[in-house]
Parts: sequence; structure tokens; C-alpha cells
Amino acid sequence: LAKTTQPISMDSYEGQEVNITCSHNNIATNDYITWYQQFPSQGPRFIIQGYKTKVTNEVASLFIPADRKSSTLSLPRVSLSDTAVYYCLVGDARSSYKLIFGSGTRLLVRP
Amino acid sequence: GAGVSQSPSNKVTEKGKDVELRCDPISGHTALYWYRQSLGQGLEFLIYFQGNSAPDKSGLPSDRFSAERTGGSVSTLTIQRTQQEDSAVYLCASSPSGRGPNSYNEQFFGPGTRLTVL
Repeated sequence: LAKTTQPISMDSYEGQEVNITCSHNNIATNDYITWYQQFPSQGPRFIIQGYKTKVTNEVASLFIPADRKSSTLSLPRVSLSDTAVYYCLVGDARSSYKLIFGSGTRLLVRP
Repeated sequence: GAGVSQSPSNKVTEKGKDVELRCDPISGHTALYWYRQSLGQGLEFLIYFQGNSAPDKSGLPSDRFSAERTGGSVSTLTIQRTQQEDSAVYLCASSPSGRGPNSYNEQFFGPGTRLTVL
């Protein structure tokens, strides 16, 4: 069964680094791994995407081990505005035309 | 430029009625996706279009659900004989290209249509 698993929730404080891991045991071999951020009553917003090893952009880093069965989103120095739900998105190995969103991690950043 | 738009933003219907949800993707985006998000839940993938073609419709929850895309642009998601369990936010997204090797396919999401079935 294709499945992605994320921690349900995480708490942090402003200025700390937050790492959220997604396990995806049945990821399609050719697809990128993408992370999205979602605020209440809004559609998800793209954060970062990668295929393997490490990717960094202006807001986050993404670490992907060689077997690609997991990925870790790293948010440096979080602020209150980073409080949101974070989802990983991977291609479904069972079909070239299906995608799987992770269950989502609700991040709460405290002052 | 204009983002992904969806209409209506809210739809309240009675059980057993048919509803049609519309998505206008970003111009030039060849890939289009539909998702469903029940209250307080994660995102459930429904269907993916590459151009006008949806090769795999098995993600649709039941045969009451259908989707089409015309002219490589607008897409409609139709739910026939709605049930209360169909109540959810239906999200549409588009991306410049679809899946496949080395396909960098950031998805741009619309604001969603909130469907309530009474």
C-alpha cells in the first residue's frame, strides 16, 4: 500500500530550526519530492522540491537520502508566521498518473 | 499574472443533487490536478490531467465523480447524486508540466470550492 507518514504535530519557538520528516515507502522512481505549506482556508503553497541529496532555497532546505524513502524539510529560524500545516507530496509508484500527499504536520511556533 | 481560479467559492446543495465545480488553470500550464480536503483532514488526490487527457481515473472516490478538461485549459469536476460524505473543499492546481523524469512541476493551487451537502 502506497503511504506517506508525517508527525501529526510539532511545537517550536521563534528562532529555532525545525525539521519535519516524511516517510514515503513506495515513491515513484522518477518523480521529485515536493513540500507544501498550508494556512487555514487557503490552498497549499509550494516551499521546495528535490530529487535526491540536498536542496536549499531562500526559505528551506530539503534532505533526501539515497534510497529516497524519506525526506526531511528543514526550516531555519522559524517565526510566528511559519505556524501552518506542512505536507510532503510524492509520485505514486503504482501509477504514473497519481500523487500522494502526506498526512500533514501541524507546526505551532510559539513566541 | 492571474493565478488558478475556482468557481463557485462556496456551494451548498441538497443530497441527491448534481454539482459541477470549475477550475481555470494558469494560462499555458499543461498539467492540472484535482484534490479533496475534508474538514480538518489532509489532501486526497483525485485526478491528474496532462493536456486534456486523464489516463488514470482510479483516484476518483466513486463512479458518481467525473472530470473533464477541454482545450487544455478549463476543467470541471462533476459529482452526481451528491452524498453528505462528499462535503469537503475541492482544490484544483496547475503546473507548467506534468510528471515524469526530471519534471520540475511546482503546483499552483486555487482557493478551492467549499462544498456542503445537506
